Amino acid sequence: GAGVSQSPSNKVTEKGKDVELRCDPISGHTALYWYRQRLGQGLEFLIYFQGNSAPDKSGLPSDRFSAERTGESVSTLTIQRTQQEDSAVYLCASTGYNEQFFGPGTRLTVL
Amino acid sequence: GDSVTQMEGPVTLSEEAFLTINCTYTATGYPSLFWYVQYPGEGLQLLLKATKADDKGSNKGFEATYRKETTSFHLEKGSVQVSDSAVYFCALSNSGGYQKVTFGTGTKLQVIP
Repeated sequence: GAGVSQSPSNKVTEKGKDVELRCDPISGHTALYWYRQRLGQGLEFLIYFQGNSAPDKSGLPSDRFSAERTGESVSTLTIQRTQQEDSAVYLCASTGYNEQFFGPGTRLTVL
Repeated sequence: GDSVTQMEGPVTLSEEAFLTINCTYTATGYPSLFWYVQYPGEGLQLLLKATKADDKGSNKGFEATYRKETTSFHLEKGSVQVSDSAVYFCALSNSGGYQKVTFGTGTKLQVIP
């Protein structure tokens, strides 16, 4: 596909369960970002990848959050022992030509 | 570090009114500046951008001029429509080091008929 894709589009889970969110960036984009957007709020930066290394993890809110990336391709964001405050839309973006292209997001609901 | 400050919303305007959403930034080097739009129930889309001082980005009747002397990138539209109701995010990408994009908190615009 031509754009950034994310899966699943929606995820409902119970408090305490682990979840894994996936992002497929645009082919050839070396930079990849994860953001969180809580209802009615702005974008909260989580982590940045350049290739498969993460030089900036400063936005991860706790050690329950982790992310990895395989080469310059797929990235997964894992949230362990989910809490209700983790409910949000998780957005992935990849960068090309000095512009960020966003995926449609994964809406996570923790019951 | 880099930061973006934009006017708080919500902004409510009548159709055909003039729109200004203020945005100022703090950054080292020579950043590129962006406005993104998020329509209700949809994802973020790039609205316009400017990559150097005095550049004007424009799209769909919206304009913003990169003002280095005032570190601003205010969004304007001469006559808003109901379909412009959305959340607008100002952002910058710094050309130094990696191109991390820093976003403002967003301004919600509601246009009423």
